[in-house]
Parts: sequence; structure tokens; C-alpha cells
Amino acid sequence: KQEVTQIPAALSVPEGENLVLNCSFTDSAIYNLQWFRQDPGKGLTSLLLIQSSQREQTSGRLNASLDKSSGRSTLYIAASQPGDSATYLCAVRDGGSQGNLIFGKGTKLSVKP
Amino acid sequence: GAGVSQSPRYKVAKRGQDVALRCDPISGHVSLFWYQQALGQGPEFLTYFQNEAQLDKSGLPSDRFFAERPEGSVSTLKIQRTQQEDSAVYLCASSLGAGGGEQFFGPGTRLTVL
Repeated sequence: KQEVTQIPAALSVPEGENLVLNCSFTDSAIYNLQWFRQDPGKGLTSLLLIQSSQREQTSGRLNASLDKSSGRSTLYIAASQPGDSATYLCAVRDGGSQGNLIFGKGTKLSVKP
Repeated sequence: GAGVSQSPRYKVAKRGQDVALRCDPISGHVSLFWYQQALGQGPEFLTYFQNEAQLDKSGLPSDRFFAERPEGSVSTLKIQRTQQEDSAVYLCASSLGAGGGEQFFGPGTRLTVL
């Protein structure tokens, strides 16, 4: 059974720092991996989608990498800002599933001004 | 509409009541998913529709949970005889194609069962 783990559970950094969030999954037979952010009391906002054949995706200050064979993905945030404060969730779609995502518990990020 | 919408945003029910939660996916999206998110946890899959067909309901926790998407657009998640453990945020997501592809989420419905 696929399991997704995110480390750390919480992270606090000063504004301007570059940071890395980690995601690991137990079964490398995935179809894709998606990173989301969730603000308190809100739904999920899709940040980046990486297909299983890709190594990385970039959007603005965000860069996500995927190492399928080792079951790991990282989300790199450059020059962090207070507005980046949120919970970041990693989710994988198993190769054999109908499309549903399996989520980690998230990393709660706080960027201090 | 521009995104996935859900209603109501908040629902308080007394234990034993029935509730119905609505999801309006992005227009033209074939796939629709329901997830349940407990406090401090990641979302967990409940059920999946491809157009009007419910292809996977393996995540529904009991037979008190029922979902439908009769015309292949709007979906309703119904919970009968609600219990306190049903308290959670219920999230709906849609994607353009069948199964794979980027999923777009609604704001969720927060259900509190007293």
C-alpha cells in the first residue's frame, strides 16, 4: 500500500531564505506527483505537477524535483516571503489507480518578516 | 465557473441527521473526486467519477456514505445518520481528462456533527 511521508512537519524561517520541503513515497510505480499549498480554512491550490517521466518542474520561485527510483520529491522555494506561509502537501497518483491521489500529512511553513 | 465550487461551506448537523454536500466541478471536466480531510491530516480519497459513472468507491468509510453525479457534472455526497467521527472537511476535485492529470480542488465543506 502506497504511503507518503513529508518531513519536516513544521518549519519556520526568516524572510528571504531559500528552503526545501521533502516528500517520500514507498512505491515507486507512480503515474505523477503533485504539490499543493493549503491556507487555513481553505481548499488546496495546485502548485506543480510532475509526470513520472519528468525530473523537475519550475514555476516562478518554486522548483519541484522527482527521483522516482528512490521514492523522493523535493519542493524548493527561493527567496521566501511571508505570503508563502501555508501548509504544503505532496500527493502521488499510483500507476494502477483510477486517478485518486494519496497525500502526505503536509509541512506547515511559517515565514517570519 | 472559473473554479470548483462547493456548498455549503459550513454545515453543522446533530448526530443522526442526514446531510448532502454539493460539488460543482470546472465546466467540461470529465473526472471528479471526493476526499475527506480530518484535522491536521492530508486528504483521503473517498470516491471517483468519470462523467456520470462511479468507477471507484473504495474509500467510502461505510454504507452511510453515498455519492452521485447523475448528469456528469454536479455531484452530491450524501451522509446518512451522521456520527461524530464524520466531522471533517470534505473536498471535491476535478480534472480535465479521465483519471490522470492535474486535479483542481474546491474550498471544501466543513462538517461538524454534534
